[in-house]
Amino acid sequence: AQSVTQLDSQVPVFEEAPVELRCNYSSSVSVYLFWYVQYPNQGLQLLLKYLSGSTLVKGINGFEAEFNKSQTSFHLRKPSVHISDTAEYFCAVTVYNQGGKLIFGQGTELSVKP
Amino acid sequence: SAVISQKPSRDICQRGTSLTIQCQVDSQVTMMFWYRQQPGQSLTLIATANQGSEATYESGFVIDKFPISRPNLTFSTLTVSNMSPEDSSIYLCSVVAQGAQETQYFGPGTRLLVL
Repeated sequence: AQSVTQLDSQVPVFEEAPVELRCNYSSSVSVYLFWYVQYPNQGLQLLLKYLSGSTLVKGINGFEAEFNKSQTSFHLRKPSVHISDTAEYFCAVTVYNQGGKLIFGQGTELSVKP
Repeated sequence: SAVISQKPSRDICQRGTSLTIQCQVDSQVTMMFWYRQQPGQSLTLIATANQGSEATYESGFVIDKFPISRPNLTFSTLTVSNMSPEDSSIYLCSVVAQGAQETQYFGPGTRLLVL
């Protein structure tokens, strides 16, 4: 069975500092990987995804993530955060060709302080 | 990406009653799902809504408690039956658009509080 672990439940950071949100997954088969963001009192918005090809993927709002198959990781990074990036971030995985079921990590609360 | 709307956006209900949540998409989609997000928690898949047939439920979720309909390619409903305070959650529908290669897009969610 697949599982997703987000290693940090909360990440406080100052504005304009770089940030990395960590995500590890476990699966014995090929997977697709996603990062979603949830702003307060809103639904989930897709930040970026890895389906195939280049292991470095770029998403919206200046975020990027790198797929590392050997370490089964898909860490999310941003070189300089803004106050508006304060939100909950979810890493998720779906198994290739298995009906699209998403398995989510527990979420990381990013808090950007001035 | 598809534009997804949910109704109601939020509701406060009494225990023992039922609430039906609607999910409407502005284009035909291949797959529709329903998720639950309990307070302070991550998302858990309730079921896959199958067009014209019974939904496929995940372990721990049953049709009697969460009946789902999907009469066409753009619309689905989830009913939360015989509610208890433990059902207080955000319920989200998600879709995979045609040609979107297993990428799910989420609706804004329905915030349910059961008293």
